[in-house]
Amino acid sequence: QLVLTQSPSASASLGASVKLTCTLSSGHSSYAIAWHQQQPEKGPRYLMKLNSDGSHSKGDGIPDRFSGSSSGAERYLTISSLQSEDEADYYCQTWGTGISWVFGGGTKLTVL
Amino acid sequence: EVQLVESGGGLVQPGGSLRLSCAASGFTFSSYEMNWVRQAPGKGLEWVSYISSSGPTIYYADSVKGRFTVSRDNAKNSLYLQMNSLRAEDTAIYYCARETRAPGLRIFDYWGQGTLVTVSS
Repeated sequence: QLVLTQSPSASASLGASVKLTCTLSSGHSSYAIAWHQQQPEKGPRYLMKLNSDGSHSKGDGIPDRFSGSSSGAERYLTISSLQSEDEADYYCQTWGTGISWVFGGGTKLTVL
Repeated sequence: EVQLVESGGGLVQPGGSLRLSCAASGFTFSSYEMNWVRQAPGKGLEWVSYISSSGPTIYYADSVKGRFTVSRDNAKNSLYLQMNSLRAEDTAIYYCARETRAPGLRIFDYWGQGTLVTVSS
């Protein structure tokens, strides 16, 4: 079964960097994912597509501070030079055969 | 600028019905597949339904199959979700999301701001 696992929370200081993780379930380590950001009281926003080789393509207007990387079944979102507006929930998303759009449980990022 | 604006949410009793709408602008609506995604209070995102660009292909999550019906009117640049036999567990913010395909992945690349559906007596 295709499952995406995320840590429920993360925190980092203003101006620092943070790396969020999304882990694909066994047997699905080659899958690409997408990262989405959801600021408080807003709809989600697409950040980027991230491939298994670490290559990624960002959505419209996404700052260079956001980047992605991969290692095995893990997909990472790195945010550098953290700003207050980066405090948000971050979701990974993928798609599997059998008509399956799958989301991770989300990571709540707190900027200290 | 791509915009998706949902409407039609509100308070409804268990067993009742509601019809959500999503008005699209800033892109050629008829060329894109569309989806509904929901988010229960304090919870994560859950995919609900998919409709192909011209409408013949439709999918539903098991949790709503047989109760919800997705449709679209490409002439009006609009997406709809008819929700019947509503249950308390359908309480959520409902988002419409545009889908785009990339190699090996189907992505929700634009989202609306959502409309809140509350099912309660």
